Amino acid sequence: GAGVSQSPRYKVAKRGQDVALRCDPISGHVSLFWYQQALGQGPEFLTYFQNEAQLDKSGLPSDRFFAERPEGSVSTLKIQRTQQEDSAVYLCASSSPREWGQPQHFGDGTRLSIL
Amino acid sequence: AQSVTQLDSHVSVSEGTPVLLRCNYSSSYSPSLFWYVQHPNKGLQLLLKYTSAATLVKGINGFEAEFKKSETSFHLTKPSAHMSDAAEYFCVVSAFGGNRDDKIIFGKGTRLHILP
Repeated sequence: GAGVSQSPRYKVAKRGQDVALRCDPISGHVSLFWYQQALGQGPEFLTYFQNEAQLDKSGLPSDRFFAERPEGSVSTLKIQRTQQEDSAVYLCASSSPREWGQPQHFGDGTRLSIL
Repeated sequence: AQSVTQLDSHVSVSEGTPVLLRCNYSSSYSPSLFWYVQHPNKGLQLLLKYTSAATLVKGINGFEAEFKKSETSFHLTKPSAHMSDAAEYFCVVSAFGGNRDDKIIFGKGTRLHILP
């Protein structure tokens, strides 16, 4: 079946512009996660949704970062007034209804480059 | 709180020889542990997972890992490396319990190089 889909795959923006990154999780997956992966680093947690509820946003680096999942399916990560340090790969993951030890399924990511 | 340490940032092995990627973890709760692989410009693919059942876990592509609670380790092994195994490998810990039970922590990754 279809996996986690992210778009766009690549995004180039000028410093100061706003960007929006989309994640389409696996159908029926309740949990959705966003991660930021800097070059040569492991992914770092940004935020977590269960259905439409954002239960944890402790990883968002600043108030310029905003995520939503209004209908409990597709999610959008928005970054306002982008800065060069925002350049990274943004990964989305989803998992099935909360179960012990359930792994997350990842999309291919959006590579964001801020000029 | 949980954490994970991958002891080697780079590992090089010859094709056909064994692979060992080391991972140590700490967790306040009984953890789930995972290994993911990431090929260049691709997302993360689950190799295997440990969730308190058998301590020796078999995954895809001939990989396996052994959970050793006394050593707080979850090392990834493969008997014979293949060129296609060249990639970045991430050890991941997830702790069930408390109010952070869905948050997972990634190690910094180990890049596996396969020499012909």
